[in-house]
Parts: sequence; structure tokens; C-alpha cells
Amino acid sequence: NAGVTQTPKFQVLKTGQSMTLQCAQDMNHNSMYWYRQDPGMGLRLIYYSASEGTTDKGEVPNGYNVSRLNKREFSLRLESAAPSQTSVYFCASSAPIGSGRASNEQFFGPGTRLTVL
Amino acid sequence: SQQGEEDPQALSIQEGENATMNCSYKTSINNLQWYRQNSGRGLVHLILIRSNEREKHSGRLRVTLDTSKKSSSLLITASRAADTASYFCATGIIGSSNTGKLIFGQGTTLQVKP
Repeated sequence: NAGVTQTPKFQVLKTGQSMTLQCAQDMNHNSMYWYRQDPGMGLRLIYYSASEGTTDKGEVPNGYNVSRLNKREFSLRLESAAPSQTSVYFCASSAPIGSGRASNEQFFGPGTRLTVL
Repeated sequence: SQQGEEDPQALSIQEGENATMNCSYKTSINNLQWYRQNSGRGLVHLILIRSNEREKHSGRLRVTLDTSKKSSSLLITASRAADTASYFCATGIIGSSNTGKLIFGQGTTLQVKP
């Protein structure tokens, strides 16, 4: 099992450009999440998807869109990148207790380091 | 604002010493988790404690939870240089069981000197 994979690992954009960050998990998890991590700020939830076909806003959704393409894949799109979106982006997945599974831990991908100039 | 506040923000100790990190939170939870992040890597789950538990052990890790004070602590005993990392607490809010949504604290950076 690869766990949670993210592409790309690094990306540099110019202000106004768009891009999509890809995430996939092979653990058959219902829930998937996108976070951003900035120095001194911990992880902040951007969007999450509790199941295939549903998405919900997290703490910092402005400037982002998401798509839960199927149970495995959850993508994050920046339509018009801004310097304030320079960050490290993490995707995670979990099988919540409410889904009938015993564990509520989240499994993280390796991250995408995005710089917007 | 962040649900979890961690203390201290940074901790530096000698190998073999114990390291204690604290986490406080604001709203009622159904579980609290601790994660570790090595530099430049994703987070890795360490331990989960449910709201009806007071203490849990896993190897050299000991976690306590005091729901009356809305606080938790993570103790790493006999620390090793390889324990150098950032440690985050994360809370599962009541009502979020079906989504698994967590709120992360800002983290404690631990340096263990050989």
C-alpha cells in the first residue's frame, strides 16, 4: 500500500496562475482532507470530504476549490494564485468512527511545497 | 482561532531526559490525538485518547487527558536524538465523528541533543 500520495512535491507559480494539487489514497477511507501549514500556525483545514460526492469548507477555504473525484482521489484547485497562498499543503485521509471503523486517526501525504511569486 | 494551544512552543533537552508537552483546548471533544512531524515530512499519528479515558501508554509515550481542565499532556520518556521533531495535538470535536474532522494545535518543536 502506498498510503496517501500527493503530486506535485514542489511547485512555483506566478500570481494569477492556476493549478491543481492531486491527492490519492489506497486505504479505502471515506474521509479526506486538505490542510495548509504555515510557520507558527500549525495545520489549518481548507476543505474536507466526509464521503464520495460531498465536500465541506474548513477553516480557511477562500481562494480554493476541491473535487472529490471518487473514493480514492481528492483534488485541491487554486484558480488564481496569490502570494498569501505560499505554503505547504498536506492531504490526509481517515476512516472515522462514525463510518463503522475503529480508528479515527488521520494518515498524511508527504506534502506539496507551493511558492507563489 | 485555534482549538488547541500547545505549550511550550519549543523545547530543548539532553538525550535520556524526559520531554513533556501540553495541549489545551476550548470546546468539548470526543477524542484527542498526538501527531509527530519530522522536518519536511507529513504528520504521523502517535496515539489517540478518548474523552472517557484519563491516561494511555504506548511504548515510551504517556498521554494524559483532563477533560475538566480541557488539557492534555504528552510525555516522552528516555528521549533519543531521533525524537527530534515537531509534535501536534489534534482534537476531534463532538459531532464530528462521522467526518473525522480534527482541529490541530500549533505544535511544539522538540530538540533532543545527543
